[in-house]
Amino acid sequence: EDQVTQSPEALRLQEGESSSLNCSYTVSGLRGLFWYRQDPGKGPEFLFTLYSAGEEKEKERLKATLTKKESFLHITAPKPEDSATYLCAVQEETSGSRLTFGEGTQLTVNP
Amino acid sequence: DAGVIQSPRHEVTEMGQEVTLRCKPISGHDYLFWYRQTMMRGLELLIYFNNNVPIDDSGMPEDRFSAKMPNASFSTLKIQPSEPRDSAVYFCASSFSGRRTNIQYFGAGTRLSVL
Repeated sequence: EDQVTQSPEALRLQEGESSSLNCSYTVSGLRGLFWYRQDPGKGPEFLFTLYSAGEEKEKERLKATLTKKESFLHITAPKPEDSATYLCAVQEETSGSRLTFGEGTQLTVNP
Repeated sequence: DAGVIQSPRHEVTEMGQEVTLRCKPISGHDYLFWYRQTMMRGLELLIYFNNNVPIDDSGMPEDRFSAKMPNASFSTLKIQPSEPRDSAVYFCASSFSGRRTNIQYFGAGTRLSVL
């Protein structure tokens, strides 16, 4: 059974204080790993897809990386508007289009 | 594109009543997903469709839940009878299969409260 574990559960940063969120996964064969951002009262918003170990993707202050066992979402010089819950999900090769989500990391960036 | 549209945004009902949640996927997408999100269990897949056909309903909690997709632009999730433990936020998502992986785009959700 696919398993996705995110850490920490919650993270509080000062504006400009860089950090990383972790997503550990266990799948038989990875088709893709997804990062989403979710704001209160809204649906998850797609950020990145990573397909193979060593791959990296960037968007503004965010950079996602992938190894064979985990993914990191690096946040460089965060701003208060980066505050949100960040969700990681995996799609396994033999599970069709099913996504398995982690519990998320709630990020708060204080001004 | 307006994105995935869900209605209603909020639903308050009494135990035992029937509840119907609605979803309009993004035009051209051939996959549609229904999820439930709670504090205790996070985001769980209930069922998904491909070209209007249910593919995997293993996440549907019990017979009280049913989902239909009569055409490519509309789907419903019905709970009959509803129970307080069904209170959650229900999300609909859609995706297009013509890519390496199906990126799922989510609607704003329906917050259901069963009293």
